[in-house]
Amino acid sequence: GENVEQHPSTLSVQEGDSAVIKCTYSDSASNYFPWYKQELGKGPQLIIDIRSNVGEKKDQRIAVTLNKTAKHFSLHITETQPEDSAVYFCAYSGAGSYQLTFGKGTKLSVIP
Amino acid sequence: NAGVTQTPKFQVLKTGQSMTLQCAQDMNHEYMSWYRQDPGMGLRLIHYSVGAGITDQGEVPNGYNVSRSTTEDFPLRLLSAAPSQTSVYFCASSPPGTKNIQYFGAGTRLSVL
Repeated sequence: GENVEQHPSTLSVQEGDSAVIKCTYSDSASNYFPWYKQELGKGPQLIIDIRSNVGEKKDQRIAVTLNKTAKHFSLHITETQPEDSAVYFCAYSGAGSYQLTFGKGTKLSVIP
Repeated sequence: NAGVTQTPKFQVLKTGQSMTLQCAQDMNHEYMSWYRQDPGMGLRLIHYSVGAGITDQGEVPNGYNVSRSTTEDFPLRLLSAAPSQTSVYFCASSPPGTKNIQYFGAGTRLSVL
């Protein structure tokens, strides 16, 4: 079936540095690409999303870029802070679909 | 407005026991879904519902039943629990007209011995 590969599975950065997480998908009909942040003991929280008619979207220190030709999208976090430490999940869904397919997650650790 | 509420937060079952995981939302969301989260596996869709009276299977439906008698509630039933169902379960819902955007509850951690 359709899936999404997420890399890396773990990422450690120094506070203030940037972090990049990349996902590659296989379904060419996909048109919605959200990123979720999950803190320990909590449910996933939507932090940013992008649709296929947009190449890049920013929200303060986070940004998502989409390359539909190469079928990959990435999460960029700049000026990382300790509170950015969490597990991040990418996901995608197809046109008209409610169903999200999730990546396996990236555990980000920001070292003070 | 409490968002998506899941109960219980923790549960321990013995193999063969049955139980129902509760999920409720007070935001008049049409779409609701259940996921399970296992280490290194991300979130996998179990069942979903696009409105009251309508349910459908996701990626991993075996061993689980759902019903949607009201817009607010979407319970997940385990009829005969198995150790393979040890997991963290999340319920999510989507506002009308947004389809893909999903808001998650805090989860239910289930252990089956």
